[in-house]
Amino acid sequence: QSVLTQPPSVSAAPGQKVTISCSGSSSNIGNNYVSWYQQLPGTAPKVLIYDTNKRPSGIPDRFSGSKSGTSATLGITGLQTGDEADYYCGTWDSSLSAGVFGGGTKLTVL
Amino acid sequence: EVQLVESGGGLVQPGGSLRLSCAASGFTFRSYWMHWVRQAPGKGLVWVSHINSDGSSTNYADSVKGRFTISRDNAKNTLYLQMNSLRAEDTAVYYCAREGDTFYAMDVWGQGTTVTVSS
Repeated sequence: QSVLTQPPSVSAAPGQKVTISCSGSSSNIGNNYVSWYQQLPGTAPKVLIYDTNKRPSGIPDRFSGSKSGTSATLGITGLQTGDEADYYCGTWDSSLSAGVFGGGTKLTVL
Repeated sequence: EVQLVESGGGLVQPGGSLRLSCAASGFTFRSYWMHWVRQAPGKGLVWVSHINSDGSSTNYADSVKGRFTISRDNAKNTLYLQMNSLRAEDTAVYYCAREGDTFYAMDVWGQGTTVTVSS
């Protein structure tokens, strides 16, 4: 099981909004920045959010990140069929001295 | 174009060894921390190891500690992962990734190389 906990799947209709949660502890999310990655089928992951709430250039503002305590959230608005992918949260765990990822969340756009 | 290209994957018997390479181009390789991340078939991402920019500091996941060694040659713009005592559970796609000018976020990824450990 992963150090960071994500729901296995979420779904919503095109045009709607969805949030994906990532739960951790004080040794990871609680005291470090979080990043989020999108992995489309058969491709390498791509960073969507870094430093908890910043978007790299080229990532639309439909994607947002936030954090509260030991949990982080990825929000996606205006859902498109092209957003169907697996999404992962990640950060550094200071107690483990290791990088950690969530188990991944599969987004289905109905 | 910023690019990472992995190579060296393949089929190896349990207990065997393999060395993965990751060739970097389009950026100043020596300035960045680098990571290896793996993904078993149908499973999620798992962090394997990282190395700092000059190669003086490394960290490993517990599952590979003592068996895998990360290294880099900044003159050749290449990252390596030496994998020894391979087990069936090491079977995965292995990605190299660059840590950007951020906190522990991987902003450039290679296409991955597949390692299969089987007799």
